[in-house]
Amino acid sequence: DAKTTQPTSMDCAEGRAANLPCNHSTISGNEYVYWYRQIHSQGPQYIIHGLKNNETNEMASLIITEDRKSSTLILPHATLRDTAVYYCIVRVSTNAGKSTFGDGTTLTVKP
Amino acid sequence: NAGVTQTPKFRVLKTGQSMTLLCAQDMNHEYMYWYRQDPGMGLRLIHYSVGEGTTAKGEVPDGYNVSRLKKQNFLLGLESAAPSQTSVYFCASSYSRTSGRARFADTQYFGPGTRLTVL
Repeated sequence: DAKTTQPTSMDCAEGRAANLPCNHSTISGNEYVYWYRQIHSQGPQYIIHGLKNNETNEMASLIITEDRKSSTLILPHATLRDTAVYYCIVRVSTNAGKSTFGDGTTLTVKP
Repeated sequence: NAGVTQTPKFRVLKTGQSMTLLCAQDMNHEYMYWYRQDPGMGLRLIHYSVGEGTTAKGEVPDGYNVSRLKKQNFLLGLESAAPSQTSVYFCASSYSRTSGRARFADTQYFGPGTRLTVL
């Protein structure tokens, strides 16, 4: 599976959009991009995933570049409750054994 | 619908003791996983299962054993605990969908975690 690179930490003002980048330059054609977040020490929570098209759901938007080598998770109106560690994972859905999370980005939303 | 539950929530062991962590899911998921998370780090896959009666090794399997006797349960065992196994353990489960001959592991749902300390 492709490795991912994320910034260690980011800050965002409450009410503003939070844009979290992820580089996955070695991604292959059948690998999906998944985003999860972990609030405090709770179990990770699924946010969104995509293959090559941009995706949007009630929580966030996922923008994947045309060459698929990077992506951005967008939280349109960040709240204090969005403070968490955000993980970008790239994996082939047919391989359940390749489900390792990296160190993620710690997003701090400030009042 | 409880989702994914883990038992116990906390445990303290002495070196050499054994224990079993229980994970249960009520979503009829085929796939189940055990991860460990050390302080300040991401999750690492210990073992996983793609169905009842089957298990496979993940990234860091040494020192652990697992069993999946029932579809809804996935057990993680430590036969002889070591201080290096002090960690937070997360269980997860996911849908399985098929397309032709391929099986896909979909979105993972995680339990609340078990904090284990080995003295």
